[in-house]
Amino acid sequence: NAGVTQTPKFQVLKTGQSMTLQCAQDMNHNSMYWYRQDPGMGLRLIYYSASEGTTDKGEVPNGYNVSRLNKREFSLRLESAAPSQTSVYFCASSEGTSTEAFFGQGTRLTVV
Amino acid sequence: GESVGLHLPTLSVQEGDNSIINCAYSNSASDYFIWYKQESGKGPQFIIDIRSNMDKRQGQRVTVLLNKTVKHLSLQIAATQPGDSAVYFCAENSYNAGNMLTFGGGTRLMVKP
Repeated sequence: NAGVTQTPKFQVLKTGQSMTLQCAQDMNHNSMYWYRQDPGMGLRLIYYSASEGTTDKGEVPNGYNVSRLNKREFSLRLESAAPSQTSVYFCASSEGTSTEAFFGQGTRLTVV
Repeated sequence: GESVGLHLPTLSVQEGDNSIINCAYSNSASDYFIWYKQESGKGPQFIIDIRSNMDKRQGQRVTVLLNKTVKHLSLQIAATQPGDSAVYFCAENSYNAGNMLTFGGGTRLMVKP
């Protein structure tokens, strides 16, 4: 099993450009999450999806949108990228009320 | 707002010694407290959790202690090995908040050979 797969691994955007970060999990988990991690910092939750068809805002949702396309896939979209969105983005999934979340390898995004 | 945080940003220990990583939390309503390990260039990896109604839980070479009186969480690693070098995050989980994980700022553990 691949676990949680994120694409792309690296991306450079110009201010104002848009892009979608893709995430897929093959563990049949109900819950999926998007976090951002700034240098030397912890992870901050952007959005999460407790089940297919539902999404909720996390701690830092401004500037982002998400889509839970199906049970496997949860995408994160930046409509108009800003330098403040330069970060490493992690997707994660977990089953039900489990505390064990499985993380992808991350997407390193730079906005210039 | 409610938050989970850490006392020490960097901890350096000798190989073979025991390590203790500390965390303070403020959300008394959390259901679980969890420790994650993040190696360089990778996503965080689950280590161990403890339910809020417990005060101690042991795993393989790791022990988590929860002191609800002072809202303090610690991770003890026995016989620290070079492979333990990483950043360690504490996190909390609340079922009332959609089971989302809230992370603290992290402590970097450096193991000296």
